[in-house]
Amino acid sequence: GAGVSQTPSNKVTEKGKYVELRCDPISGHTALYWYRQSLGQGPEFLIYFQGTGAADDSGLPNDRFFAVRPEGSVSTLKIQRTERGDSAVYLCASSEVAGGQQETQYFGPGTRLLVL
Amino acid sequence: DQQVKQNSPSLSVQEGRISILNCDYTNSMFDYFLWYKKYPAEGPTFLISISSIKDKNEDGRFTVFLNKSAKHLSLHIVPSQPGDSAVYFCAATGAGSYQLTFGKGTKLSVIP
Repeated sequence: GAGVSQTPSNKVTEKGKYVELRCDPISGHTALYWYRQSLGQGPEFLIYFQGTGAADDSGLPNDRFFAVRPEGSVSTLKIQRTERGDSAVYLCASSEVAGGQQETQYFGPGTRLLVL
Repeated sequence: DQQVKQNSPSLSVQEGRISILNCDYTNSMFDYFLWYKKYPAEGPTFLISISSIKDKNEDGRFTVFLNKSAKHLSLHIVPSQPGDSAVYFCAATGAGSYQLTFGKGTKLSVIP
């Protein structure tokens, strides 16, 4: 079946602009996660959704970052007033059970964000 | 402070030989561990996992070993194939958290 999809695959923006990154999880997966991977690092957790609600947003770096999942499927990560340090690959993952700790997380291809 | 450490940034192995990738962790609350493989311009792909109640899990050419007392796990690939060339990430979770904590990755090159 179809895996996790993310759009756009690449996004170039200017410092100070607003961006939206979209994630379409695997059909039927109730848990959705956002991670950020900077150059030379492993992915770092940002936020986790169980259904429509953000169950854990402790990884969001500051209040410029916000994510929604209004219908419990597609999610959008929103970044306001982008800064050059926001440049990274933003990865989305989903898992079958609503946040089962030992549920495998399946990742999308990521959105490569470049802030000039 | 890095809770999951992959101390070897890169590893080169001859085709047909064994590849051993290592991972250490510091958080004793971690109880579930995963390995992901990542090709350039793609997202991480799940490879194999192990629960802390086991010390070994095998799936085809891939075996993960867990040594809880040493807080160490390793991924063995036998025999190594050129298509295994990728970056391998070790990840851990536990203590009621759903976050995965990743290491920085090890780039494996399998030489034909």
